[in-house]
Amino acid sequence: AQSVTQLGSHVSVSEGALVLLRCNYSSSVPPYLFWYVQYPNQGLQLLLKYTTGATLVKGINGFEAEFKKSETSFHLTKPSAHMSDAAEYFCAVSYNAGGTSYGKLTFGQGTILTVHP
Amino acid sequence: DSGVTQTPKHLITATGQRVTLRCSPRSGDLSVYWYQQSLDQGLQFLIQYYNGEERAKGNILERFSAQQFPDLHSELNLSSLELGDSALYFCASSVGLAGASSSYNEQFFGPGTRLTVL
Repeated sequence: AQSVTQLGSHVSVSEGALVLLRCNYSSSVPPYLFWYVQYPNQGLQLLLKYTTGATLVKGINGFEAEFKKSETSFHLTKPSAHMSDAAEYFCAVSYNAGGTSYGKLTFGQGTILTVHP
Repeated sequence: DSGVTQTPKHLITATGQRVTLRCSPRSGDLSVYWYQQSLDQGLQFLIQYYNGEERAKGNILERFSAQQFPDLHSELNLSSLELGDSALYFCASSVGLAGASSSYNEQFFGPGTRLTVL
């Protein structure tokens, strides 16, 4: 079974400060990892994904995440926060087990990011 | 705009009633997924269809059912509604089944249907 834990349901940063949103996963097979962003009253938008290959992945809006297998982590970072980054962020995991999962996503509980002027 | 459409945007109904939520996937996508987002359960996978066939089931209640039609749109039917069914219901679509290609795992989400049960 897979699970995702996002550390911190709320994170608050100042504009221009580093953003760090933490995600740890549990998976018995190699995972595919994702970060999604949800703005108020909107659907989920994919920020970035890790499937195979380079462990540091870059996404949209200046976000990046690093897959660390030894730490079972996939933390999301952005060097300098912008007011428009205020939203809820979800880490998710899926995998291809040759027939049983078909790509369904298991989500963390979400982290609400607040950006102060 | 993800290309996935969901109707209606909002739905208000009473306990015991039945509703149907509709989803149209992106052009060319064969897989449709349904998720429920609620305050107490978070985002949960409900069910997946691929090219008209059910392929995976999550924590979907027996009162809920879904289908995917030949034109690939999907409907989620919720019956005998309870207060606890109030939630945001998302549909997502992807090209195909999970596989070696990373693109198969990318799901594009619709804007959701907000269901309120009074």
